[in-house]
Amino acid sequence: GNSVTQMEGPVTLSEEAFLTINCTYTATGYPSLFWYVQYPGEGLQLLLKATKADDKGSNKGFEATYRKETTSFHLEKGSVQVSDSAVYFCALRLGNEKLTFGTGTRLTIIP
Amino acid sequence: NAGVTQTPKFQVLKTGQSMTLQCAQDMNHEYMSWYRQDPGMGLRLIHYSVGAGITDQGEVPNGYNVSRSTTEDFPLRLLSAAPSQTSVYFCASRPAGTGLTGELFFGEGSRLTVL
Repeated sequence: GNSVTQMEGPVTLSEEAFLTINCTYTATGYPSLFWYVQYPGEGLQLLLKATKADDKGSNKGFEATYRKETTSFHLEKGSVQVSDSAVYFCALRLGNEKLTFGTGTRLTIIP
Repeated sequence: NAGVTQTPKFQVLKTGQSMTLQCAQDMNHEYMSWYRQDPGMGLRLIHYSVGAGITDQGEVPNGYNVSRSTTEDFPLRLLSAAPSQTSVYFCASRPAGTGLTGELFFGEGSRLTVL
């Protein structure tokens, strides 16, 4: 079946540090890939997405590139802020209605 | 902008009790779904609906019922609560025809504890 494997957390960084959260997937086709973010006390919201190989999704300084050859969709940001503290979920959708989520990575940014 | 509204936000039940988690959206979205979020397991799909009168099971449907009598509402019923149903529940929706690439819009969640 389809699955998403995310970097284990929690991740703690200092403000202005470089962030990478790894995400790899297994799918029986060519999925669309997503990163969702969950701020404390809120529901998930879409951060960025990519729908085909080599696409780069970007939003709020975050980027992720759809790499078919390595089946990866790693999330990166060059300089994190305290306000980026949240839980980040990688997800895929293939054909049907269901989104398959990873387990989530909790990120804490220290001033 | 209301978006997806879930009630209640918090609930404590005793084993065997029943309850309904309410979900309403005002965006005229055809697709609605319920997820549960558990530590170390991410989000798992419980039930979903592609339109009024149509529902289907997700990954973990046992112990839950749903119905979709209107486009706006998609309640989740626990008929006989068990401690294993202690979780945070999220309702999510999106427009029809956006299956492969479309964004899901989530409610703020309902935290349920079953004693």
